[in-house]
Amino acid sequence: AQKVTQAQTEISVVEKEDVTLDCVYETRDTTYYLFWYKQPPSGELVFLIRRNSFDEQNEISGRYSWNFQKSTSSFNFTITASQVVDSAVYFCALSELTSGTYKYIFGTGTRLKVLA
Amino acid sequence: DSGVTQTPKHLITATGQRVTLRCSPRSGDLSVYWYQQSLDQGLQFLIQYYNGEERAKGNILERFSAQQFPDLHSELNLSSLELGDSALYFCASSVDSRSSSYEQYFGPGTRLTVT
Repeated sequence: AQKVTQAQTEISVVEKEDVTLDCVYETRDTTYYLFWYKQPPSGELVFLIRRNSFDEQNEISGRYSWNFQKSTSSFNFTITASQVVDSAVYFCALSELTSGTYKYIFGTGTRLKVLA
Repeated sequence: DSGVTQTPKHLITATGQRVTLRCSPRSGDLSVYWYQQSLDQGLQFLIQYYNGEERAKGNILERFSAQQFPDLHSELNLSSLELGDSALYFCASSVDSRSSSYEQYFGPGTRLTVT
C-alpha cells in the first residue's frame, strides 16, 4: 500500500537559516511520482515540483532544492536562506498506478514558521 | 492564480441541511479531484472524475456525492450535514493520462461551516 510520512509536524527557524523538510514514502511500484505542494496562510495549495521514479537527479529552483533518494525512499525539500514568506504548510504527495488509474496520497504536512 | 475556480468561497449552514459546492477546472484539464481538509488536518481525498466519469473514490461518506458535467465543471453535494463536516473543501484539476501522473492545480477552496 502507498504511504507518505512527514514526521516533522512543525518546524520553526529564524530568517536566513536553511531548513529541510523530510518526506518518506512507501510503494510497491517501480513507476511512481512524487510531488511537493505549499499551502500558505491564504489557504490555496500551490504546486512546487513533480518527480518521477526514474529520475533521481536532484533539482534546484532558486532557494528551493529537492533531494530524491530511492535507496532510502525519501524526497526531501530544502529551503536555503529561508524568508518569512516561506512560512506555510508543505505537503509531500505520492502517486502510483492502482487499478488502472493513478491515485494520489498526501502526507500530513509540515508547518514551517520562519521568524523575522 | 491556478485557473481552477470554486464557488462559493464561504458557506454557513445548519445541521441536517444540504449544500452544493461547485468547481470549474483549468482549461484543458479533464480530471477533477475533491478533497476535504479539516482544521489542522491533512488533505483527505474524496473522489476523482475524468471526463464525466467517476474514476477513483477515497474516503467519501455516503451522504456525499459528486458529478462532473459535459462542460467539465464538477459539483460536490453534501447532505444531512453534521457539525463534523465543517471543513475546507478543495477542488483540483490535472492533465490526466493513464500512462503518467501529473501535478494537480488547486482551487481556492470552499470553507463550509455547519452550525
